[in-house]
Amino acid sequence: DQQVKQNSPSLSVQEGRISILNCDYTNSMFDYFLWYKKYPAEGPTFLISISSIKDKNEDGRFTVFLNKSAKHLSLHIVPSQPGDSAVYFCAASEGSSNTGKLIFGQGTTLQVKP
Amino acid sequence: NAGVMQNPRHLVRRRGQEARLRCSPMKGHSHVYWYRQLPEEGLKFMVYLQKENIIDESGMPKERFSAEFPKEGPSILRIQQVVRGDSAAYFCASSRGRSYEQYFGPGTRLTVT
Repeated sequence: DQQVKQNSPSLSVQEGRISILNCDYTNSMFDYFLWYKKYPAEGPTFLISISSIKDKNEDGRFTVFLNKSAKHLSLHIVPSQPGDSAVYFCAASEGSSNTGKLIFGQGTTLQVKP
Repeated sequence: NAGVMQNPRHLVRRRGQEARLRCSPMKGHSHVYWYRQLPEEGLKFMVYLQKENIIDESGMPKERFSAEFPKEGPSILRIQQVVRGDSAAYFCASSRGRSYEQYFGPGTRLTVT
């Protein structure tokens, strides 16, 4: 039972354009969402997060949008840079639970072409 | 400003042997999480520990796997009698308190031959 889904395994964009990575979830109890970036042979690096009381959070070139009614979130990267090429994971957590357990999607590989 | 440290980075074990994976959290962090990533999949939660306590082990296989985070020293994930299906990347993360913003180590890649 995949509670967090990233349906696009890969995405290719041109440098300077916008990258949009999508994520869907099924558990309505999730109330905190995060995006992580991962390079090969390294651990995931925290990028940006959003609480369910918001619908948008912005940090520099990165913006996360949350649509609770659709159970959908997206990560926008503007402008995209070649160094952004990596695997991006969305993750969700249930605030009412007693732990900080994160549920991850399968990941989307982003390639930014110079 | 050392981050989360894991060792070894690569571990090869034959079927039936034991694997011990170590994780030292970031300075000031007392909460540790272990995740496993199978090939072509996302990370799957295994266990959440605080010093000397297992808080949530709902993702741990019922047999052969155990974890600890002693008062002194690193957290240890132990896999007894490894099988080929245990081959994966094992990531440790830490946080200052119970937090969703977890900082990950570089992982240990376990290969069972």
